[in-house]
Amino acid sequence: EIVLTQSPATLSLSPGERATLSCRASQSISNYLAWYQQKPGQAPRLLIYDASNRATGIPARFSGSGSGTDFTLTISSLEPEDFAVYYCQQQLTFGGGTKVEIK
Amino acid sequence: EEQLVESGGGLVQPGGSLRLSCAASGFTISTYWMHWVRQAPGKGLVWVSRINSDGSSTSYVDSVKGRFTISRDNAKNTLYLQMNSLRLEDTSIYHCVRDLGSCSSTSCYTDWFDPWGQGTLVTVSS
Repeated sequence: EIVLTQSPATLSLSPGERATLSCRASQSISNYLAWYQQKPGQAPRLLIYDASNRATGIPARFSGSGSGTDFTLTISSLEPEDFAVYYCQQQLTFGGGTKVEIK
Repeated sequence: EEQLVESGGGLVQPGGSLRLSCAASGFTISTYWMHWVRQAPGKGLVWVSRINSDGSSTSYVDSVKGRFTISRDNAKNTLYLQMNSLRLEDTSIYHCVRDLGSCSSTSCYTDWFDPWGQGTLVTVSS
Protein backbone atom coordinates (compact mmCIF):
# COMPACT_ATOMS: atom_id res chain seq x y z
CA GLU A 1 0.00 0.00 0.00
CA ILE A 2 1.32 3.40 -0.98
CA VAL A 3 1.68 5.99 1.78
CA LEU A 4 1.60 9.71 0.98
CA THR A 5 3.41 12.03 3.37
CA GLN A 6 2.67 15.74 3.18
CA SER A 7 4.92 18.42 4.61
CA PRO A 8 4.88 20.70 6.37
CA ALA A 9 1.77 20.04 8.42
CA THR A 10 1.22 23.79 8.75
CA LEU A 11 2.58 26.62 6.64
CA SER A 12 2.28 30.16 8.04
CA LEU A 13 2.55 32.78 5.33
CA SER A 14 1.34 36.25 4.46
CA PRO A 15 -0.82 37.23 1.46
CA GLY A 16 1.38 37.76 -1.57
CA GLU A 17 3.97 35.22 -0.47
CA ARG A 18 4.83 32.04 -2.32
CA ALA A 19 3.65 28.73 -0.86
CA THR A 20 5.43 25.46 -1.53
CA LEU A 21 3.72 22.26 -0.38
CA SER A 22 5.29 18.83 -0.58
CA CYS A 23 3.81 15.36 -1.03
CA ARG A 24 6.10 12.32 -0.93
CA ALA A 25 5.00 8.82 -1.98
CA SER A 26 6.42 5.68 -0.39
CA GLN A 27 7.04 4.22 -3.84
CA SER A 28 7.04 5.51 -7.38
CA ILE A 29 3.62 6.53 -8.66
CA SER A 30 4.70 8.01 -11.99
CA ASN A 31 2.65 11.21 -12.38
CA TYR A 32 -0.59 9.84 -10.95
CA LEU A 33 -1.12 12.45 -8.25
CA ALA A 34 -3.92 14.91 -7.59
CA TRP A 35 -4.16 17.93 -5.28
CA TYR A 36 -7.29 19.24 -3.58
CA GLN A 37 -8.11 22.39 -1.63
CA GLN A 38 -10.54 22.31 1.28
CA LYS A 39 -11.91 25.33 3.08
CA PRO A 40 -13.74 25.07 6.43
CA GLY A 41 -17.24 23.70 6.02
CA GLN A 42 -16.75 22.97 2.32
CA ALA A 43 -16.09 19.91 0.23
CA PRO A 44 -12.63 19.38 -1.21
CA ARG A 45 -12.09 20.95 -4.62
CA LEU A 46 -9.87 19.47 -7.32
CA LEU A 47 -6.94 21.74 -8.14
CA ILE A 48 -4.39 19.62 -10.00
CA TYR A 49 -4.55 16.19 -11.64
CA ASP A 50 -1.82 13.99 -13.08
CA ALA A 51 0.71 15.99 -11.06
CA SER A 52 0.76 19.12 -13.19
CA ASN A 53 -2.56 19.69 -14.96
CA ARG A 54 -4.78 22.43 -13.57
CA ALA A 55 -8.44 21.54 -13.26
CA THR A 56 -11.06 23.64 -15.00
CA GLY A 57 -11.39 27.11 -13.51
CA ILE A 58 -8.30 26.90 -11.29
CA PRO A 59 -6.23 30.10 -11.33
CA ALA A 60 -2.79 30.06 -12.91
CA ARG A 61 -1.13 30.90 -9.57
CA PHE A 62 -1.62 27.22 -8.67
CA SER A 63 0.90 24.85 -10.23
CA GLY A 64 1.91 21.27 -9.65
CA SER A 65 5.13 19.49 -10.43
CA GLY A 66 6.98 16.26 -9.79
CA SER A 67 6.99 12.62 -10.75
CA GLY A 68 8.03 9.34 -9.21
CA THR A 69 7.95 9.89 -5.45
CA ASP A 70 8.30 13.65 -4.92
CA PHE A 71 5.61 16.17 -5.80
CA THR A 72 5.09 19.87 -5.16
CA LEU A 73 2.09 22.17 -5.17
CA THR A 74 3.11 25.81 -5.56
CA ILE A 75 0.92 28.85 -5.05
CA SER A 76 2.89 31.66 -6.63
CA SER A 77 1.34 34.55 -4.71
CA LEU A 78 -1.15 33.81 -1.95
CA GLU A 79 -4.56 35.42 -2.19
CA PRO A 80 -6.75 35.71 0.92
CA GLU A 81 -9.02 32.94 -0.39
CA ASP A 82 -6.10 30.50 -0.67
CA PHE A 83 -5.74 29.98 3.07
CA ALA A 84 -7.07 26.46 3.45
CA VAL A 85 -6.05 22.83 3.85
CA TYR A 86 -4.48 21.05 0.88
CA TYR A 87 -4.49 17.30 0.30
CA CYS A 88 -2.65 15.12 -2.18
CA GLN A 89 -4.18 11.87 -3.44
CA GLN A 90 -3.03 8.81 -5.35
CA GLN A 91 -5.61 6.17 -6.24
CA LEU A 92 -7.41 5.36 -2.97
CA THR A 93 -4.87 7.03 -0.66
CA PHE A 94 -4.80 10.58 0.64
CA GLY A 95 -1.99 12.46 2.32
CA GLY A 96 -2.52 13.88 5.78
CA GLY A 97 -2.91 17.44 4.54
CA THR A 98 -1.07 20.76 4.81
CA LYS A 99 -2.80 23.71 6.41
CA VAL A 100 -1.85 27.06 4.89
CA GLU A 101 -2.61 29.69 7.50
CA ILE A 102 -2.26 33.45 7.66
CA LYS A 103 0.91 34.57 9.42
CA GLU B 1 -23.11 22.17 -13.79
CA GLU B 2 -22.03 18.72 -12.66
CA GLN B 3 -23.10 18.23 -9.06
CA LEU B 4 -23.41 15.58 -6.36
CA VAL B 5 -25.75 16.04 -3.41
CA GLU B 6 -25.67 13.69 -0.43
CA SER B 7 -28.46 13.11 2.07
CA GLY B 8 -29.46 10.69 4.78
CA GLY B 9 -26.99 11.50 7.52
CA GLY B 10 -27.97 12.06 11.11
CA LEU B 11 -27.54 10.99 14.71
CA VAL B 12 -27.64 7.25 15.37
CA GLN B 13 -26.81 5.08 18.36
CA PRO B 14 -23.95 2.58 18.26
CA GLY B 15 -25.12 -0.55 16.50
CA GLY B 16 -27.69 1.35 14.47
CA SER B 17 -28.12 1.77 10.73
CA LEU B 18 -28.34 4.58 8.20
CA ARG B 19 -28.69 4.72 4.44
CA LEU B 20 -26.92 7.54 2.65
CA SER B 21 -27.94 8.72 -0.82
CA CYS B 22 -26.03 10.73 -3.38
CA ALA B 23 -27.97 12.29 -6.23
CA ALA B 24 -26.07 13.34 -9.32
CA SER B 25 -27.07 16.11 -11.69
CA GLY B 26 -25.47 17.55 -14.79
CA PHE B 27 -24.01 14.18 -15.78
CA THR B 28 -24.98 10.53 -15.93
CA ILE B 29 -23.34 8.27 -13.35
CA SER B 30 -23.92 5.13 -15.41
CA THR B 31 -20.53 5.38 -17.15
CA TYR B 32 -18.48 6.13 -14.05
CA TRP B 33 -17.09 4.29 -11.06
CA MET B 34 -18.27 6.07 -7.94
CA HIS B 35 -16.86 6.25 -4.42
CA TRP B 36 -17.58 7.29 -0.87
CA VAL B 37 -14.89 9.20 1.04
CA ARG B 38 -15.26 10.19 4.69
CA GLN B 39 -13.73 12.77 6.97
CA ALA B 40 -13.91 12.59 10.75
CA PRO B 41 -14.28 15.95 12.53
CA GLY B 42 -11.00 17.86 12.26
CA LYS B 43 -9.28 14.98 10.50
CA GLY B 44 -8.18 14.07 6.99
CA LEU B 45 -9.81 12.31 4.06
CA VAL B 46 -10.27 8.54 4.07
CA TRP B 47 -11.51 6.40 1.20
CA VAL B 48 -14.40 4.14 2.23
CA SER B 49 -15.85 2.28 -0.73
CA ARG B 50 -16.20 2.16 -4.50
CA ILE B 51 -18.52 0.59 -7.06
CA ASN B 52 -18.07 -0.05 -10.74
CA SER B 53 -20.26 1.46 -13.42
CA ASP B 54 -22.87 -1.31 -13.56
CA GLY B 55 -22.85 -2.14 -9.85
CA SER B 56 -21.42 -5.64 -10.23
CA SER B 57 -18.14 -4.98 -8.41
CA THR B 58 -17.55 -3.29 -5.06
CA SER B 59 -14.61 -2.64 -2.71
CA TYR B 60 -14.35 -1.45 0.88
CA VAL B 61 -11.77 -0.24 3.36
CA ASP B 62 -11.10 -2.99 5.90
CA SER B 63 -12.69 -1.09 8.79
CA VAL B 64 -16.17 -1.16 7.19
CA LYS B 65 -16.12 -4.56 5.45
CA GLY B 66 -19.15 -6.62 6.36
CA ARG B 67 -20.97 -3.58 7.79
CA PHE B 68 -21.33 -1.16 4.86
CA THR B 69 -22.80 -1.86 1.42
CA ILE B 70 -22.39 0.43 -1.56
CA SER B 71 -24.93 0.29 -4.36
CA ARG B 72 -26.26 2.38 -7.21
CA ASP B 73 -29.40 2.96 -9.25
CA ASN B 74 -28.26 4.24 -12.61
CA ALA B 75 -31.86 4.83 -13.71
CA LYS B 76 -32.26 7.24 -10.78
CA ASN B 77 -28.73 8.62 -11.21
CA THR B 78 -28.14 7.92 -7.53
CA LEU B 79 -25.45 6.28 -5.39
CA TYR B 80 -26.12 4.73 -1.99
CA LEU B 81 -24.27 3.62 1.11
CA GLN B 82 -26.05 1.31 3.53
CA MET B 83 -24.33 1.53 6.90
CA ASN B 84 -25.09 -1.14 9.52
CA SER B 85 -23.62 -1.93 12.94
CA LEU B 86 -22.40 1.63 13.23
CA ARG B 87 -19.55 2.38 15.62
CA LEU B 88 -18.43 5.55 17.36
CA GLU B 89 -15.45 5.71 15.00
CA ASP B 90 -17.75 5.91 11.95
CA THR B 91 -18.66 9.47 12.94
CA SER B 92 -17.69 11.52 9.90
CA ILE B 93 -18.86 13.63 7.02
CA TYR B 94 -19.45 11.27 4.09
CA HIS B 95 -18.75 12.60 0.59
CA CYS B 96 -19.62 10.91 -2.67
CA VAL B 97 -17.23 11.45 -5.55
CA ARG B 98 -16.87 10.56 -9.20
CA ASP B 99 -13.80 8.66 -10.39
CA LEU B 100 -12.15 10.19 -13.44
CA GLY B 101 -9.49 7.54 -13.81
CA SER B 102 -8.96 4.98 -16.51
CA CYS B 103 -11.89 2.67 -15.89
CA SER B 104 -13.62 -0.11 -17.80
CA SER B 105 -16.64 -2.02 -16.57
CA THR B 106 -14.39 -4.55 -14.83
CA SER B 107 -11.28 -2.67 -13.70
CA CYS B 108 -10.31 0.84 -12.75
CA TYR B 109 -7.12 2.77 -12.20
CA THR B 110 -8.44 5.54 -10.00
CA ASP B 111 -6.72 8.80 -10.88
CA TRP B 112 -8.62 11.76 -9.52
CA PHE B 113 -12.00 12.59 -8.00
CA ASP B 114 -14.29 15.28 -9.33
CA PRO B 115 -16.80 16.57 -8.44
CA TRP B 116 -17.26 16.15 -4.69
CA GLY B 117 -20.56 16.37 -2.93
CA GLN B 118 -20.79 18.75 0.04
CA GLY B 119 -21.16 15.72 2.31
CA THR B 120 -23.63 14.46 4.86
CA LEU B 121 -22.75 14.21 8.55
CA VAL B 122 -23.13 10.89 10.32
CA THR B 123 -22.84 11.07 14.10
CA VAL B 124 -22.72 7.83 16.07
CA SER B 125 -23.30 8.49 19.74
CA SER B 126 -25.24 7.11 22.67
